[in-house]
Amino acid sequence: DVKVTQSSRYLVKRTGEKVFLECVQDMDHENMFWYRQDPGLGLRLIYFSYDVKMKEKGDIPEGYSVSREKKERFSLILESASTNQTSMYLCASSSPGGASYEQYFGPGTRLTVT
Amino acid sequence: QQQVKQSPQSLIVQKGGISIINCAYENTAFDYFPWYQQFPGKGPALLIAIRPDVSEKKEGRFTISFNKSAKQFSLHIMDSQPGDSATYFCAASPISSGTYKYIFGTGTRLKVLA
Repeated sequence: DVKVTQSSRYLVKRTGEKVFLECVQDMDHENMFWYRQDPGLGLRLIYFSYDVKMKEKGDIPEGYSVSREKKERFSLILESASTNQTSMYLCASSSPGGASYEQYFGPGTRLTVT
Repeated sequence: QQQVKQSPQSLIVQKGGISIINCAYENTAFDYFPWYQQFPGKGPALLIAIRPDVSEKKEGRFTISFNKSAKQFSLHIMDSQPGDSATYFCAASPISSGTYKYIFGTGTRLKVLA
């Protein structure tokens, strides 16, 4: 069964802390994505990666960075957390080509920055 | 041009009724249009998707209608059930360009009354 796991379901951090959100997929997918979900704004793409050590900016990359050292793992980093980064963070993965371009999502990490 | 506009923001339907959610896009490079369903506390999951070479796709009680000239697509849920109560997101992607990222709509919160 397809699985995307995220390291924490809930996280509370203080302003200025460095925050790591981890995502692991077991489907050998090439593509991985980080989104944030806010009420009324839908899902917005932060960063994505099509291969190991490769990354591309999404629509809202400011204040974030990513790391992909292994194919199955994609990390989102908040260098200095701020209160406006309080949100639900969703990781997804997909495999290009074939009949399906489906993105498989993890359960999300609800991050609160105080 | 990158936006996908989704309406309504929320929808209340009686059990057995038809739920209709609409999306519109501007970018003619989009050629893959999925709908995702999200239950509270879960990540979004693919419900149904369409490519622009067909005007309609049906899977069980769920139908996508696609109007290429109007750049609009919609999700119809027939015989709506309380178990369909969830948030629904439309999305669009320019798959043929080799870009697999999605642009999501802002979401529709559906409540089906028993």
